Amino acid sequence: EAQVTQNPRYLITVTGKKLTVTCSQNMNHEYMSWYRQDPGLGLRQIYYSMNVEVTDKGDVPEGYKVSRKEKRNFPLILESPSPNQTSLYFCASSLAGLAGGTSSYEQYFGPGTRLTVT
Amino acid sequence: SQKIEQNSEALNIQEGKTATLTCNYTNYSPAYLQWYRQDPGRGPVFLLLIRENEKEKRKERLKVTFDTTLKQSLFHITASQPADSATYLCALKEGFQKLVFGTGTRLLVSP
Repeated sequence: EAQVTQNPRYLITVTGKKLTVTCSQNMNHEYMSWYRQDPGLGLRQIYYSMNVEVTDKGDVPEGYKVSRKEKRNFPLILESPSPNQTSLYFCASSLAGLAGGTSSYEQYFGPGTRLTVT
Repeated sequence: SQKIEQNSEALNIQEGKTATLTCNYTNYSPAYLQWYRQDPGRGPVFLLLIRENEKEKRKERLKVTFDTTLKQSLFHITASQPADSATYLCALKEGFQKLVFGTGTRLLVSP
């Protein structure tokens, strides 16, 4: 089954304790991205990756790191989490990047990770 | 940067009626605009994409229009059903590789 998986689905942690949220897709997609969703603010892009070893900042990258060492995986790293990073996080992937070509640019989203930082 | 405006108030309609949701953007017209459906606690699911040179796109009971003069997209669900109740998000490409989402409009279809 074609899908994007995220782990963990729920996480409660304390300020300053480094954590990683994993994201994996089995569709051989080139483009992957991370979003956070907060009430009243909607989905905001954190980072995106065009392909292996190619990443760039989205709208809210502060406090986050990413890496893309393999095409299927795109982990989100919070080196020193703070309470303002409490949010619902989504990983997404699409076949190709968002520009050019005839792709539908359809984004496939994972199930989400609800993170609470106390 | 682009600002997307979607009605934050929930839209309540009766089953069988047509639901119309609005997405307005503020800056330049994007190359395309997408619509997604999101159910509570789940990730968004892609529904339709409409390009800047397309006026209208249809898929089953769904119809999307794109008016670059008004800087607006309308999303219609005809013959709505209670199962259509969800939050609907519009998204547009900004710059080269960024996707910007609206906050979504919640649709409630009552029997």
